[in-house]
Amino acid sequence: KAGVTQTPRYLIKTRGQQVTLSCSPISGHRSVSWYQQTPGQGLQFLFEYFSETQRNKGNFPGRFSGRQFSNSRSEMNVSTLELGDSALYLCASSLETDPSDEQFFGPGTRLTVL
Amino acid sequence: AQKVTQAQTEISVVEKEDVTLDCVYETRDTTYYLFWYKQPPSGELVFLIRRNSFDEQNEISGRYSWNFQKSTSSFNFTITASQVVDSAVYFCVFSGSARQLTFGSGTQLTVLP
Repeated sequence: KAGVTQTPRYLIKTRGQQVTLSCSPISGHRSVSWYQQTPGQGLQFLFEYFSETQRNKGNFPGRFSGRQFSNSRSEMNVSTLELGDSALYLCASSLETDPSDEQFFGPGTRLTVL
Repeated sequence: AQKVTQAQTEISVVEKEDVTLDCVYETRDTTYYLFWYKQPPSGELVFLIRRNSFDEQNEISGRYSWNFQKSTSSFNFTITASQVVDSAVYFCVFSGSARQLTFGSGTQLTVLP
């Protein structure tokens, strides 16, 4: 069974630009969550999607948005990039949305904002 | 709001030593789940163990064991006979009613040969 895949793996952008990251969950998983990892703030929850609906959102500005498609694949978008958005963005999938569900993580997308 | 504290920032041990990683959490939830994840240098988080709030029985799984004490809100994780391949960042993680994972700051474990 293929794991969670994320594309691209590395990305370099400049301030003010926007970026779209993609995540393909494990086959059969309907929940996709996104996390941001930085040295200063650690791992922080961005949002969760289940059956194309955003179920939960972390404390991030509206520049961060996402969506989920009918095949459970998900994208997240960051508009008007700032230097502080440089981070490793991790996607995780799980079967359902139960708090007990193990989440399977992808390798991440390393975003650098110059 | 939930909070997870991992006071140990870095730990170094020599191969074959046992090592315990500490984790303390805060929550008002009555039902919740605690996890340990490992992040090797490759960056991909790997699930290790899970414990729910209503089961305080401590368990052993291979070289891993964990000690969950609800009275002290602690969920410590022990690796027995550590190996170089165990070198990674270990995260204690909380999942509760808010249905979002709350991560501790992580403990960098280095196992020296």
